[in-house]
Amino acid sequence: AQSVTQLGSHVSVSEGALVLLRCNYSSSVPPYLFWYVQYPNQGLQLLLKYTSAATLVKGINGFEAEFKKSETSFHLTKPSAHMSDAAEYFCAVTHSWGSSASKIIFGSGTRLSIRP
Amino acid sequence: DAGVTQSPTHLIKTRGQQVTLRCSPKSGHDTVSWYQQALGQGPQFIFQYYEEEERQRGNFPDRFSGHQFPNYSSELNVNALLLGDSALYLCASSHRRGTLYGANVLTFGAGSRLTVL
Repeated sequence: AQSVTQLGSHVSVSEGALVLLRCNYSSSVPPYLFWYVQYPNQGLQLLLKYTSAATLVKGINGFEAEFKKSETSFHLTKPSAHMSDAAEYFCAVTHSWGSSASKIIFGSGTRLSIRP
Repeated sequence: DAGVTQSPTHLIKTRGQQVTLRCSPKSGHDTVSWYQQALGQGPQFIFQYYEEEERQRGNFPDRFSGHQFPNYSSELNVNALLLGDSALYLCASSHRRGTLYGANVLTFGAGSRLTVL
């Protein structure tokens, strides 16, 4: 079975400060990991994905995440927060195994607030 | 290029009623997954369809059923609605081949918000 745990349901940072959203995963097979963002009253949008290539993954809007197998972590970071980054962020896990499409499991989410 | 479209965007039902939600996948996608997102929670996987068959299912009762049509569009049906079924229902599409090449990326619609009174 696979799962993800997002540490901190709410994170608040000042504009221009570092953003760090934490995600730990559990998987019995090599995982594929994702970060999605959800703005109010919208669906989810892919920020970035890890699919067993480079461990440091760069995504859209200046976000990046690092896959650390030893720590079973996939934390999301951004060097300098913008007001427009305020949203809900979801970490997700799946795997690629055989030819069947695997389901994607989401964490409970972290709400990011940006202080002026 | 249209993304994933869902209808209706909002609806209100009463307990015991039945509801049908519809989804048109992104052009070029053949797989549709449905998720339930309760307020303040992450999306929970309901089931996935491709080649017009249910391929995987999450921990949801049989009251939740679905269908996929030859044009890859999909419906989610919920019978005997309960108050706890109130949620945002998200449809996501992907291409099955994406899994073979290690890139099972979902494209989400904006969702259908169901309120059960």
